Amino acid sequence: GENVEQHPSTLSVQEGDSAVIKCTYSDSASNYFPWYKQELGKRPQLIIDIRSNVGEKKDQRIAVTLNKTAKHFSLHITETQPEDSAVYFCAASPSGSARQLTFGSGTQLTVLP
Amino acid sequence: SQTIHQWPATLVQPVGSPLSLECTVEGTSNPNLYWYRQAAGRGLQLLFYSVGIGQISSEVPQNLSASRPQDRQFILSSKKLLLSDSGFYLCASEAGAVTEAFFGQGTRLTVV
Repeated sequence: GENVEQHPSTLSVQEGDSAVIKCTYSDSASNYFPWYKQELGKRPQLIIDIRSNVGEKKDQRIAVTLNKTAKHFSLHITETQPEDSAVYFCAASPSGSARQLTFGSGTQLTVLP
Repeated sequence: SQTIHQWPATLVQPVGSPLSLECTVEGTSNPNLYWYRQAAGRGLQLLFYSVGIGQISSEVPQNLSASRPQDRQFILSSKKLLLSDSGFYLCASEAGAVTEAFFGQGTRLTVV
């Protein structure tokens, strides 16, 4: 089955700096890669996703890149703000269905004011 | 949009006691429903999923069971809790052509 590894497990950045979280996956059949943000005590929420026919996707300060050859994808947050502090999860799926989502172990991002 | 109701928010139960966590979904019909467990410092592990009433698939062998008595109701149960059942349990819904998994607020279960 699919195995998703996520690094780093914790990340601290100064407000205004950029943050990058990286994930690798093992199943070459995976074609859907969402990123979820979970604030303390709250539910995970989808913030951005990318499909295998796209190499990069951007939404304001958040961007995701995908390298299918190397089987890795990354989340980039620019101009970080304190409200970006949360746990971020990457995931991979061969079908786009939540049933086949395999999640990474999460990254605790702390943005220092 | 979908709304997932999950309760209780926190629960402390003794070892050997039964468990029942309930999840209900509003704003959609015929959803796929999921139970995930999130252990401390780890990712989300899929426990059960259901594509319809009475249809349950288990992803990992464990001390828990799930049931779907109604289209938008998903229940996680145990007859006798173990210490290892402690964790954060999340219900999720996926409906229609939308791939996104909508999560409930979660239940923090502590077995003592």
